[in-house]
Amino acid sequence: DSGVTQTPKHLITATGQRVTLRCSPRSGDLSVYWYQQSLDQGLQFLIQYYNGEERAKGNILERFSAQQFPDLHSELNLSSLELGDSALYFCASSVNPQEAQYFGPGTRLLVL
Amino acid sequence: GIQVEQSPPDLILQEGANSTLRCNFSDSVNNLQWFHQNPWGQLINLFYIPSGTKQNGRLSATTVATERYSLLYISSSQTTDSGVYFCAVALFSGGYNKLIFGAGTRLAVHP
Repeated sequence: DSGVTQTPKHLITATGQRVTLRCSPRSGDLSVYWYQQSLDQGLQFLIQYYNGEERAKGNILERFSAQQFPDLHSELNLSSLELGDSALYFCASSVNPQEAQYFGPGTRLLVL
Repeated sequence: GIQVEQSPPDLILQEGANSTLRCNFSDSVNNLQWFHQNPWGQLINLFYIPSGTKQNGRLSATTVATERYSLLYISSSQTTDSGVYFCAVALFSGGYNKLIFGAGTRLAVHP
């Protein structure tokens, strides 16, 4: 158990819908990262937050947004969902951006 | 951007065998991590090893940063070692630390 929690574990929804994925980092970690793992693209970085501020963006679609709240938990919002958004979404956290990242169990999203 | 190549892509072992997985990266990094993704999809941290050698039980890893590669050794493999092993690297810069993952080595250990 990495100490990073993600909810829900599984999510099935329809095209065009909007979903919110939630992540609680390890106690004391200020940095939160989101990654997407799909069959065709592998594991890809989406976005990074540090103590509430966005620090870096990767291959994140405009339909996706995220934020980190004052209690340091983070949410990833996916809207206007398409079939291709079906993937495993991971949250990771680290004490600071220079240290190792620890991954949560992931949220498996299926868009039908 | 930094490219990460892992080899071999697939590996089949008998229980008890040893193996070496390799990770090559194309540029200087200051973060390198090895992960094991188990059949349930969980990504488990194995090592944080931007340089040097570390050991944890039957697993050990070595990173030679100047030559841009890292090796993961698995000794006396067990069926529970099956899954995909990922190497991921990052160059920390100005608070920015995205991990770039290799395509992974898929390991199957048979009894």
